[in-house]
Amino acid sequence: GAGVSQSPRYKVAKRGQDVALRCDPISGHVSLFWYQQALGQGPEFLTYFQNEAQLDKSGLPSDRFFAERPEGSVSTLKIQRTQQEDSAVYLCASSLQAGPYNEQFFGPGTRLTVL
Amino acid sequence: GNSVTQMEGPVTLSEEAFLTINCTYTATGYPSLFWYVQYPGEGLQLLLKATKADDKGSNKGFEATYRKETTSFHLEKGSVQVSDSAVYFCALTKAAGNKLTFGGGTRVLVKP
Repeated sequence: GAGVSQSPRYKVAKRGQDVALRCDPISGHVSLFWYQQALGQGPEFLTYFQNEAQLDKSGLPSDRFFAERPEGSVSTLKIQRTQQEDSAVYLCASSLQAGPYNEQFFGPGTRLTVL
Repeated sequence: GNSVTQMEGPVTLSEEAFLTINCTYTATGYPSLFWYVQYPGEGLQLLLKATKADDKGSNKGFEATYRKETTSFHLEKGSVQVSDSAVYFCALTKAAGNKLTFGGGTRVLVKP
C-alpha cells in the first residue's frame, strides 16, 4: 500500500512569505507527527495529532507555525512570515495507533529553503 | 528533558568490517529505544527497537541491546556491506508520550 506522502517535495520561499506543507498519512493511521530536520542534524519534534485533536504542540518554535488536521487524515503545516532559520526538511510521520510502541512511518519530507 | 547522544561521523569502513555506533540517552523512567536508518535519497525507516531493559532488537544483521545501567543502546553489525551506507539515528520515546527524540545522526560509508 501507499506510504506517507508529502507535498511539495521542495519549496523555495522569499523571506516573509507564508508557506503550507501537506502530509497524507497512511490510510487509517490514528497518529500523525511533524518533525523539523535542520541540515546535518537529527529530526526535532514539532507537533502531534491523534485523529483530529492536536495533543502536543510543544515543539512548535514560534507562533508563526501552525498545524491542523481537521478531518483526522490529511494534515497541513503552515509557516507564516517565513524566516531564514525556518530553512529545513519538514518530516511527517504516522502510526496506526497511539502509544510509544507503535512504529512511526515517515514520509520523504519537504525541503524548505527561505531566501 | 530527554536527550540522545550518538557518536559523530562520518564513519568509513571497508566491506565486511565490524560496525559499532555508540548511543547513550538521558530520560526519566523507562523509555523505548529505536534505531532509524536513512538511505541516500530515501526517507527514515525503522531499523530495530527495544522497549525494556535487556531487550535486544535485531534486523538485517544489525543488533542493539537496551542497557539501562549504562543508559546505552549501541548499534552493531558484524560484517557490513556497501549497501549499509546510510545515516543512522538513535531515538527514544517515553512510555507516557509518543514523540521521538533523536540523536544527531551518524553517517556511515562502506567502501568496497
